[in-house]
Amino acid sequence: DAKTTQPPSMDCAEGRAANLPCNHSTISGNEYVYWYRQIHSQGPQYIIHGLKNNETNEMASLIITEDRKSSTLILPHATLRDTAVYYCIVRADNYGQNFVFGPGTRLSVLP
Amino acid sequence: EPEVTQTPSHQVTQMGQEVILRCVPISNHLYFYWYRQILGQKVEFLVSFYNNEISEKSEIFDDQFSVERPDGSNFTLKIRSTKLEDSAMYFCASKKKGTNSPLHFGNGTRLTVT
Repeated sequence: DAKTTQPPSMDCAEGRAANLPCNHSTISGNEYVYWYRQIHSQGPQYIIHGLKNNETNEMASLIITEDRKSSTLILPHATLRDTAVYYCIVRADNYGQNFVFGPGTRLSVLP
Repeated sequence: EPEVTQTPSHQVTQMGQEVILRCVPISNHLYFYWYRQILGQKVEFLVSFYNNEISEKSEIFDDQFSVERPDGSNFTLKIRSTKLEDSAMYFCASKKKGTNSPLHFGNGTRLTVT
């Protein structure tokens, strides 16, 4: 089972920042936080991942709390094309661990 | 940017028939996966494959399923005798060496069993 909790749905106005929370209160020291999104029925798209430091790439920023029990994915200027289901996944840093998808957060970007 | 490609995009088959879903992973990736997603449900892990053998498989991946990397570039999922409940999107994924490297997914094959 997924080790994360996310709100089932969120709305965001176009052009505003979308802040998607994820709770992973039982995360262990060697577990990374990964974010994916799925637009319609396309394949999950990798967004970003991190261990404990905040991370930023061309798509998003990942903010991980100091105790690592929660994180936030930030889409700085949401567009209509960012409407998707966003998945937060916690996975240990070893080859035997698979990526387990939960139900995610359905983000609707509104015009 | 390199990507995982899957063919066909849509496969319709009759119950009891064999189907083969094909995937071309990203070229320097070493770990390969199949996931599936029944309409309206979660993305579910089926099987992982490394060094020409199955690393792990889920309960879904029973004797009707098999995987193969026949030629060093393709990665296939075979369903020997399809059932109605096998209707789903099937996603192939690959990852490069490195324990924390992410999975990269293809856009899936929609399998419809009639």
